[in-house]
Amino acid sequence: AQKITQTQPGMFVQEKEAVTLDCTYDTSDPSYGLFWYKQPSSGEMIFLIYQGSYDQQNATEGRYSLNFQKARKSANLVISASQLGDSAMYFCAMREVAGANAGNMLTFGGGTRLMVKP
Amino acid sequence: NAGVTQTPKFQVLKTGQSMTLQCAQDMNHEYMSWYRQDPGMGLRLIHYSVGAGITDQGEVPNGYNVSRSTTEDFPLRLLSAAPSQTSVYFCASSYDPTVTGELFFGEGSRLTVL
Repeated sequence: AQKITQTQPGMFVQEKEAVTLDCTYDTSDPSYGLFWYKQPSSGEMIFLIYQGSYDQQNATEGRYSLNFQKARKSANLVISASQLGDSAMYFCAMREVAGANAGNMLTFGGGTRLMVKP
Repeated sequence: NAGVTQTPKFQVLKTGQSMTLQCAQDMNHEYMSWYRQDPGMGLRLIHYSVGAGITDQGEVPNGYNVSRSTTEDFPLRLLSAAPSQTSVYFCASSYDPTVTGELFFGEGSRLTVL
């Protein structure tokens, strides 16, 4: 079974509108971290936001927020006021305790390509 | 502030050739790893290291070799390149071994095997 599932291969959003990118995960580990990365067409991986499994509040970083629903094993990324520069691939990733002890193992989802329309 | 540096950025190989992708970080991170990204997919872990002299296999290790003689460097060797190894390769490092530790990525190395 896939550990990280991103069900939206591609999405369009109008500039200045908000958009939600879905991510569900599967783990039996009580301690884990969830990450979102942005990959623009230039190819680099840019860290956006992090949520720990024990964090009580949803993480926020500027226009990015993470809608963390632990019972549903869901960690959706919300981008407010979309900008043209937000057009990119977005990856959800998870690190479990076992993976952390084994190094810096992150398990990635397949990604969502976001396209912002002017 | 160099961060994680990968070389080369682009490489074309013929089937059966060998080569080494270089990765260096200047952040004194103990944890380093190599991922590959195939078209339209997320990243998959090839090999990782938790410190100098210690390496281990990730999800897709076959056809690759690594060593970690220093904290700074973590080269990835392709022993006998195959077309299935055509991919973009990312090196990453982290200072925090717990679940909260952010990975710092290099800019990627695009490899084509003919």
